[in-house]
Amino acid sequence: DAKTTQPPSMDCAEGRAANLPCNHSTISGNEYVYWYRQIHSQGPQYIIHGLKNNETNEMASLIITEDRKSSTLILPHATLRDTAVYYCIVRSNSGGSNYKLTFGKGTLLTVNP
Amino acid sequence: EAGVAQSPRYKIIEKRQSVAFWCNPISGHATLYWYQQILGQGPKLLIQFQNNGVVDDSQLPKDRFSAERLKGVDSTLKIQPAKLEDSAVYLCASSLVGQGEAFFGQGTRLTVV
Repeated sequence: DAKTTQPPSMDCAEGRAANLPCNHSTISGNEYVYWYRQIHSQGPQYIIHGLKNNETNEMASLIITEDRKSSTLILPHATLRDTAVYYCIVRSNSGGSNYKLTFGKGTLLTVNP
Repeated sequence: EAGVAQSPRYKIIEKRQSVAFWCNPISGHATLYWYQQILGQGPKLLIQFQNNGVVDDSQLPKDRFSAERLKGVDSTLKIQPAKLEDSAVYLCASSLVGQGEAFFGQGTRLTVV
């Protein structure tokens, strides 16, 4: 399974963009990058995923470098409710059409007023 | 759309006792996961089902943990006998086959004393 490396913690001011980096230098060509977040006392929540191209949805944007060895999750206007642990995951195949998500320790993002 | 349902939310047991957790996935989701999350760590995959078959149980401590999904819908995870180190949040998640977007329940917080 491709491993990911994330900073343990980051701070961001409310209303500013939060940029969360992730390194995944051993990613294979057909492996997707997924981002989840976990707000305190809740289960993880899917945010976004991508393969090669940059992706954007209502929650965030995902920028993947051309060599695919790293990515950045961008929350364009962080709010206090975005305070959470953010997990960068490389989705791996667990056999046939099945895939598994292997979580690391993630990045604790604290949005400050 | 109803989410992933788990029960109970909290459970306190003494070591060497047994305990069972229940999960009802999102309707139509053939893939079901059980994760264990120890305080301060990311979720660790214990077992993955597709319908009622096991896809991956490589990290399930089979001497004390068991899980089943008899009719391919609901699932139960059992621990017998429990140890102090089993204190954790047990998360259930479900997804469509081949999809990395998994939906998580709120989890069951187990305390073994």
